[in-house]
Amino acid sequence: DTGVSQDPRHKITKRGQNVTFRCDPISEHNRLYWYRQTLGQGPEFLTYFQNEAQLEKSRLLSDRFSAERPKGSFSTLEIQRTEQGDSAMYLCASSVPGQTYEQYFGPGTRLTVT
Amino acid sequence: DQQVKQNSPSLSVQEGRISILNCDYTNSMFDYFLWYKKYPAEGPTFLISISSIKDKNEDGRFTVFLNKSAKHLSLHIVPSQPGDSAVYFCAARGVRGADGLTFGKGTHLIIQP
Repeated sequence: DTGVSQDPRHKITKRGQNVTFRCDPISEHNRLYWYRQTLGQGPEFLTYFQNEAQLEKSRLLSDRFSAERPKGSFSTLEIQRTEQGDSAMYLCASSVPGQTYEQYFGPGTRLTVT
Repeated sequence: DQQVKQNSPSLSVQEGRISILNCDYTNSMFDYFLWYKKYPAEGPTFLISISSIKDKNEDGRFTVFLNKSAKHLSLHIVPSQPGDSAVYFCAARGVRGADGLTFGKGTHLIIQP
């Protein structure tokens, strides 16, 4: 079991550019979640997938954000036309069927928008 | 509005003593409560959980207590060890089928030698 992995670990981009992050969940985990964490705050839920279906989106997920999980394995989170307020740690988590409350997190991707 | 609150930003405890981290919540529909531990530059690590139908769950040095009438839960770590120094997050899951966790702001636990 290699754990949840995320790529890249750090991303610096200029305002207005698009960025894409990747998350590989723990194998056999059919649920995958995206969270955002800003300084001094706890993680905030963005969206989650069961297999390839996106089942819930938070109101934090503006129309500049899109997430996909095309084959029910890895997922991507894209932010279009980045703004300075998008600077945060983006965390991915996964969980097993039947124990979806226990979510296992990856190391995160730290995004800095200049 | 913050549905999960951790009112102590930091807590300092001597090695070997008991650490008690507190968490309050406002939404009575939460069905599971969890504690996560986070080191710098790493993602949160799951520690322990408790169902809303229970009042205590124990795992080694970690015990979580739930008081539903007070909408309060606490994490006890005994004995505290230097490696326990980290930020601890309280989190809760809702019952409406939503799986997204709601987190508190965290408490930074410092274990003094």
